[in-house]
Amino acid sequence: NAGVMQNPRHLVRRRGQEARLRCSPMKGHSHVYWYRQLPEEGLKFMVYLQKENIIDESGMPKERFSAEFPKEGPSILRIQQVVRGDSAAYFCASSPDRVTSSDTQYFGPGTRLTVL
Amino acid sequence: GEDVEQSLFLSVREGDSSVINCTYTDSSSTYLYWYKQEPGAGLQLLTYIFSNMDMKQDQRLTVLLNKKDKHLSLRIADTQTGDSAIYFCAESSLGGFKTIFGAGTRLFVKA
Repeated sequence: NAGVMQNPRHLVRRRGQEARLRCSPMKGHSHVYWYRQLPEEGLKFMVYLQKENIIDESGMPKERFSAEFPKEGPSILRIQQVVRGDSAAYFCASSPDRVTSSDTQYFGPGTRLTVL
Repeated sequence: GEDVEQSLFLSVREGDSSVINCTYTDSSSTYLYWYKQEPGAGLQLLTYIFSNMDMKQDQRLTVLLNKKDKHLSLRIADTQTGDSAIYFCAESSLGGFKTIFGAGTRLFVKA
């Protein structure tokens, strides 16, 4: 059973371009979480999605950021008109159900976004 | 609001014990975790403890929880160079989905 997959692993964008980050959850998992890790900091929650639904996006910046988890295909985190401050590692995690026990959120390897 | 704090750096000699400390503020925290992150990699769940426990041991890892002081520690016995990594303390509440992370403690193991 493959783990959580994220691609690309590294992404370089110029200011003003769009960044699309993909996350394929573990097989059988229907819940996806996105976190952002700024340099020298811990992970900050961004958004929690189930298939076709955004459950909580309280950690998402109000502008330029959006996320989706369609019925088919990976979850996508989209950043429009990127700025240098968006440079970070973006981690996806998945779980088989809403987290009700301690160890059911599995993390992917992350996408490291660099904005030039 | 919820907050998790931990010291940023720890340096130990190979073979010694490492103790990484963490404090948290959310009194409704139910699960407390330790994650390990190696350079360029994702997070690996090392161990966790329920808030109604005081201690949990798993091979070289010992987690101690002082719920009154909201203090969590991770002890690594016989620290090896392969243990060099960033260790994140994190907490979540029962039924919650947000895991709150500390900034991470960078453990350096000297041979």
